Amino acid sequence: KAGVTQTPRYLIKTRGQQVTLSCSPISGHRSVSWYQQTPGQGLQFLFEYFSETQRNKGNFPGRFSGRQFSNSRSEMNVSTLELGDSALYLCASSLKTSGVIGEQFFGPGTRLTVL
Amino acid sequence: AQSVTQLGSHVSVSEGALVLLRCNYSSSVPPYLFWYVQYPNQGLQLLLKYTTGATLVKGINGFEAEFKKSETSFHLTKPSAHMSDAAEYFCAVSEAGFQKLVFGTGTRLLVSP
Repeated sequence: KAGVTQTPRYLIKTRGQQVTLSCSPISGHRSVSWYQQTPGQGLQFLFEYFSETQRNKGNFPGRFSGRQFSNSRSEMNVSTLELGDSALYLCASSLKTSGVIGEQFFGPGTRLTVL
Repeated sequence: AQSVTQLGSHVSVSEGALVLLRCNYSSSVPPYLFWYVQYPNQGLQLLLKYTTGATLVKGINGFEAEFKKSETSFHLTKPSAHMSDAAEYFCAVSEAGFQKLVFGTGTRLLVSP
């Protein structure tokens, strides 16, 4: 099976712009989670989607949003970019089953640089 | 709220030496515990996980970890380090049924010849 893919791998934006990142989960996986990784804050949970519904959300401002499509692919959007949004954004997919946490498989990440 | 503490941002060992990476967790409910490894410019790869049952968990690449509830610990060990083990290691905790992982700050393992 192909792994989790994220596009683009690298992105450079300027302050005030918006950006959309894409994640394609492993075939058959219906849960997609997003994490932000920075040197200062480490790995932080952004949100999780399952069957097109946001199931869980981390402590991030409303500028961070996401969605999931019927084919389980997910996008996250960051509006009005700030310098502090520079980070590696990781997507993880899981074959989530009821009541049991599924192993999360991570993609290689999208490295976003905000100038 | 759940949290994870990883003692030591950097650990240095010689090739062939024992690897010990420390992880302590805080959770108000029975935790699910994980160790992930991250190589440069890559995502995270699961090494091993504890959910229920046997407290000694064996993972990939010769790593294992022991869940000790009384010490709220989940330390990662490997009997003999290899150069290819040099990477950053993250301990994480989650509540049963939730996909949200709470990560520690990571430990960079350096392996010298």
